[in-house]
Amino acid sequence: QVQLKETGPDLVQLTQTLSITCTVSGFSLTTYNVHWVRQPPGKGLEWMGAMWNGGGTDYNSAFKSRLSISRDTSKSQVFLKMNSLQTDDTAKYFCARQIAAPLYVMDAWGQGASVTVSS
Amino acid sequence: DIQMTQSPASLSASLGETVTIECLASEDIYSNLAWYQQKPGKSPQLLIYDASSLQDGVPSRFSGSESGTQYSLEINSLQSEDAATYFCQQHHDYPPTFGGGTKLELK
Repeated sequence: QVQLKETGPDLVQLTQTLSITCTVSGFSLTTYNVHWVRQPPGKGLEWMGAMWNGGGTDYNSAFKSRLSISRDTSKSQVFLKMNSLQTDDTAKYFCARQIAAPLYVMDAWGQGASVTVSS
Repeated sequence: DIQMTQSPASLSASLGETVTIECLASEDIYSNLAWYQQKPGKSPQLLIYDASSLQDGVPSRFSGSESGTQYSLEINSLQSEDAATYFCQQHHDYPPTFGGGTKLELK
């Protein structure tokens, strides 16, 4: 059974760094790509970036150099780290598995990690 | 970035009815369009990709079509469990982008 689960802080202080872990089961990170998508409260979805199955990464330029994605295949975990948080970074952060093909189509999602940026 | 304009923003329909949700791409995305369903407090669920390919396990009352850069999601014979917000997403080009969502309410 394919599962993804995000764990991270509920509250992050303004200008600080957000770290979220996505732990997956039922599939291998060396076979499937994993994406990060966020959703501000009551709003739409925004693609943040991806961890490719070969170990490379890709980022939405909207996040400039604030965002970093990494993984530990031995623990089946993908990590999101974003610095210089602002209040508009308050959102639910999802990790999602991409289907084999085509690119960027996500067939399994975690329940999401809700993060509030507080001043 | 490719802009995805989704309409309507909300709609209300009755059980058994058929509804259509539309998504307009700002440029040609060559049928690389996915639809997701999201229920309150839940994560999105993939319904359709490549404009009309139904994801495994999704009921056949959901269907997708296209006409140029306009894409449509049709839901036939509405069921109570179809009440949700629906998002389109282009998966043609980096970065993948989503429509603003359509909230479907059942009367």
